[in-house]
Amino acid sequence: GAGVSQSPSNKVTEKGKDVELRCDPISGHTALYWYRQSLGQGLEFLIYFQGNSAPDKSGLPSDRFSAERTGGSVSTLTIQRTQQEDSAVYLCASSLGGGAWNEQFFGPGTRLTVL
Amino acid sequence: GENVEQHPSTLSVQEGDSAVIKCTYSDSASNYFPWYKQELGKRPQLIIDIRSNVGEKKDQRIAVTLNKTAKHFSLHITETQPEDSAVYFCAASKGTSYGKLTFGQGTILTVHP
Repeated sequence: GAGVSQSPSNKVTEKGKDVELRCDPISGHTALYWYRQSLGQGLEFLIYFQGNSAPDKSGLPSDRFSAERTGGSVSTLTIQRTQQEDSAVYLCASSLGGGAWNEQFFGPGTRLTVL
Repeated sequence: GENVEQHPSTLSVQEGDSAVIKCTYSDSASNYFPWYKQELGKRPQLIIDIRSNVGEKKDQRIAVTLNKTAKHFSLHITETQPEDSAVYFCAASKGTSYGKLTFGQGTILTVHP
């Protein structure tokens, strides 16, 4: 079946602009995670969704970052007033359930470049 | 919160040799430890995982060992092949209600033919 998809694959924006990143999880997966991967770094947790709720937003770096999930499926990560330090690859992952022991399947990521 | 340290950051081996990557974690409540492989330009993929009630797990040429007392776990790849070349990430999770993963910094493994 189809895996996790993300769009756009690449996004170049100017400092101060808002961007929206989209994630389509695997059908039937109730848990959805956003991670950020900066150059040469590991993956950094941003936010977790179970259904449409976000029980853990602790990884969002600032109030410029927000995310929502609708219909228990598609999720959008929004970054307002982008800064150069926001440049990174943003990865989305989904899993069948919320427990850690459910394998997380990753999307291909969105590479964000803020000029 | 949890902190995961991974070593080495780069590892170069000859084809057929073994490769070992080590990780330490800080939160004794962590009980799930997956390893992900990320090939250049591709998404991370789970290659093996271990739960805290197990000390070792093997899957063909890869194995993971866990020492809960010392709070460290390791990935072992035997008979390495050029296609094993990738970035490997370890991670830890408390595995209670949800699977928030804390990742190590990654190891770039290069297998020379």
